Amino acid sequence: SQTIHQWPATLVQPVGSPLSLECTVEGTSNPNLYWYRQAAGRGLQLLFYSVGIGQISSEVPQNLSASRPQDRQFILSSKKLLLSDSGFYLCAWLTGNTGELFFGEGSRLTVL
Amino acid sequence: KQEVTQIPAALSVPEGENLVLNCSFTDSAIYNLQWFRQDPGKGLTSLLLIQSSQREQTSGRLNASLDKSSGRSTLYIAASQPGDSATYLCAADFLSSGSARQLTFGSGTQLTVLP
Repeated sequence: SQTIHQWPATLVQPVGSPLSLECTVEGTSNPNLYWYRQAAGRGLQLLFYSVGIGQISSEVPQNLSASRPQDRQFILSSKKLLLSDSGFYLCAWLTGNTGELFFGEGSRLTVL
Repeated sequence: KQEVTQIPAALSVPEGENLVLNCSFTDSAIYNLQWFRQDPGKGLTSLLLIQSSQREQTSGRLNASLDKSSGRSTLYIAASQPGDSATYLCAADFLSSGSARQLTFGSGTQLTVLP
């Protein structure tokens, strides 16, 4: 069966520090992968999606970036965090046959 | 602009009551519609997926319906329990979302089932 892992689960970082959140999927190949952000009291915002290795599409201009160095690995990064980057970050993958979206457990980022 | 709306934002019911959560979407051209549950501080758990060609899906005490012509979906929860307390989100996969499949999410309905 397919599973999706995210880490770290919780992160507290100072303003201006770098960020790296990692997501890996098991049990499937060539998945569509997504990074969402959920700010307090707000809905899910799509940040990036990837249809294959090295293929990244950005939905929202910001100081975050994403990379897909391997088929089942998706990384969210920042060189210098802002206070506004605080939030709950969710990785997800889409099944090719049914189009069902599955989420990881999320990474809570607090920027101080 | 394609949007998904969920009303109300919050709902509180006594245990045992049957309830309906509403979801509306602005474009009837969708691949599918998906309902999720989110517990506090957790990721989203997929509950039900309704394909464009389907009218409803059932899983245990949950039943989701889809009416594309009116741009509406409902999630019916029978005999609610305190463990059903969570935020429920719906998401539509619009046909015109571009080169990659993307879901557009509603802002969710926070359900509290009182014992």
